[in-house]
Amino acid sequence: DAKTTQPPSMDCAEGRAANLPCNHSTISGNEYVYWYRQIHSQGPQYIIHGLKNNETNEMASLIITEDRKSSTLILPHATLRDTAVYYCIVRGSGNTGKLIFGQGTTLQVKP
Amino acid sequence: GAVVSQHPSWVICKSGTSVKIECRSLDFQATTMFWYRQFPKQSLMLMATSNEGSKATYEQGVEKDKFLINHASLTLSTLTVTSAHPEDSSFYICSANEQLLNTEAFFGQGTRLTVV
Repeated sequence: DAKTTQPPSMDCAEGRAANLPCNHSTISGNEYVYWYRQIHSQGPQYIIHGLKNNETNEMASLIITEDRKSSTLILPHATLRDTAVYYCIVRGSGNTGKLIFGQGTTLQVKP
Repeated sequence: GAVVSQHPSWVICKSGTSVKIECRSLDFQATTMFWYRQFPKQSLMLMATSNEGSKATYEQGVEKDKFLINHASLTLSTLTVTSAHPEDSSFYICSANEQLLNTEAFFGQGTRLTVV
């Protein structure tokens, strides 16, 4: 699975949009981009995933560049409860659920 | 969404004893489950893949005789930390996905192990 690069930390004001970037320049054609987050001392929580089209669900939006070498997770209206470590993971379509975690981005939402 | 449950949420044990952690998929069957370990301020590290009815597959550097994995049914995998030592103190997390539908992976809430 392709490697991802994320900034180690970011701040965001409560109520504003949080935009978390991820670089995955070596991604191959059948690999998906997944986003998870981990709130302190809990198991990771699935947020969203995509292949090449932009995706949106009740939690977030995922914007994938046309060349698929990078993506951005958008939390439209960040709240204090969104403070967490966010992981961007690339996974092959044939994979059975095995995820390799990088260091992620620690998002601090501030009042 | 699918639910994965771990038990216990936390455990304290004495050095030299063994500790068993359970991971259950509550509303789906999982032929494969995954075990991770996470040290403070670090990311999750994949330890092993638990395969129903067969031997687990361990990642490089993980001692299979120390971390015993049993996946006896389609909804239960167990991780036993044998002869635990203080350096085994960590946050252990399992995950599973519904392979037939190839869903995303769902994670348990984690087990905090402290060896004293």
